[in-house]
Amino acid sequence: GIQVEQSPPDLILQEGANSTLRCNFSDSVNNLQWFHQNPWGQLINLFYIPSGTKQNGRLSATTVATERYSLLYISSSQTTDSGVYFCAVGVGGSNYKLTFGKGTLLTVNP
Amino acid sequence: GAVVSQHPSWVICKSGTSVKIECRSLDFQATTMFWYRQFPKQSLMLMATSNEGSKATYEQGVEKDKFLINHASLTLSTLTVTSAHPEDSSFYICSASSSSPPPYEQYFGPGTRLTVT
Repeated sequence: GIQVEQSPPDLILQEGANSTLRCNFSDSVNNLQWFHQNPWGQLINLFYIPSGTKQNGRLSATTVATERYSLLYISSSQTTDSGVYFCAVGVGGSNYKLTFGKGTLLTVNP
Repeated sequence: GAVVSQHPSWVICKSGTSVKIECRSLDFQATTMFWYRQFPKQSLMLMATSNEGSKATYEQGVEKDKFLINHASLTLSTLTVTSAHPEDSSFYICSASSSSPPPYEQYFGPGTRLTVT
């Protein structure tokens, strides 16, 4: 099956710093989502981005499908950004299965 | 929009008993729902895919008779853990996606923490 690798596995930042999280995948995908899992376990949808670039406030994401990678940018990080960031990819239509990477654990210190 | 709820949020049960977890899409019709399992400090692993009105499709290594999934309506799927054992203790998360229109983004419930004693 498709392989998803996220880097770095852990990241510690000071509040206000910027960061880039990377997601590499081993095959062509139709679907790619970025999530933030908060301390209570809830997965929050950040981006649905199988290709192209999107921005939402301090967050932005870019997927280069032909080169099989996606990047999540966090600017001016805040302590509330702490948590695990997951990239997940899938192939197919409405019943596509998501394969998750192992995640990046982000800690933002005040 | 696109809200998915789960009930209960957490449950403690005795070994050998069964537990039912509900997953509901609150503001959209979910043709397909998915059930995941997450162990501490690990990623999410897909257990099964369920389509409304048909049998669930289980991932390799997931026991169908132990994890019973029912998707009786376009807004409700249930996961029943039968004859639970301590090794079934985990965080169970459901997700849902609509059939149309695209994009087929998946939305996740808040999860259910199961502890089997």
